[in-house]
Amino acid sequence: ILNVEQSPQSLHVQEGDSTNFTCSFPSSNFYALHWYRWETAKSPEALFVMTLNGDEKKKGRISATLNTKEGYSYLYIKGSQPEDSATYLCAFAGNQFYFGTGTSLTVIP
Amino acid sequence: ETGVTQTPRHLVMGMTNKKSLKCEQHLGHNAMYWYKQSAKKPLELMFVYSLEERVENNSVPSRFSPECPNSSHLFLHLHTLQPEDSALYLCASSQGTGLAGSYEQYFGPGTRLTVT
Repeated sequence: ILNVEQSPQSLHVQEGDSTNFTCSFPSSNFYALHWYRWETAKSPEALFVMTLNGDEKKKGRISATLNTKEGYSYLYIKGSQPEDSATYLCAFAGNQFYFGTGTSLTVIP
Repeated sequence: ETGVTQTPRHLVMGMTNKKSLKCEQHLGHNAMYWYKQSAKKPLELMFVYSLEERVENNSVPSRFSPECPNSSHLFLHLHTLQPEDSALYLCASSQGTGLAGSYEQYFGPGTRLTVT
């Protein structure tokens, strides 16, 4: 079993603050890195799939970067809103597909 | 119609029961997946089907038996489960075939299973 680690485990921020989380994964046998958002009582929703070292992707106020050589990805949220409250999951696709345990974000109005 | 649907949403079964979980995707995708989400653990990939062929079986006990009769439907047949099998079971689909790779996955709402 591969280690896909996410930090922090949980995070509380004030509305309007910007924040970021980390996903660490093995740097060998890399194929893709996925980010998903999972709101309570809903299904996980895909945010980004990144495959190339140095990839940067953006969707509204959320963006992500990828470093496959050192095995990490950052997810950034600019100007957090209460509706951003969710668990953010990353998943490593190599020889196998592994999810991290997630970062639980709470945005306080 | 919602992209990926799962039934039932909640299931309570005894250890001697036989039940099935159903997943249906309305997205025209070629790959479908079963995941298990236990408390305090990451999502665990159980099975992957690509064009109705099983391409991945991550050492799942034989008391879980998947079936993919066509590219839109996926079942998980359950028999003689243990209490530790209680979990949220999620189904997903993706456009691409084979292991997840570079295709984003679309998830259903899950079935909350309790084994008594």
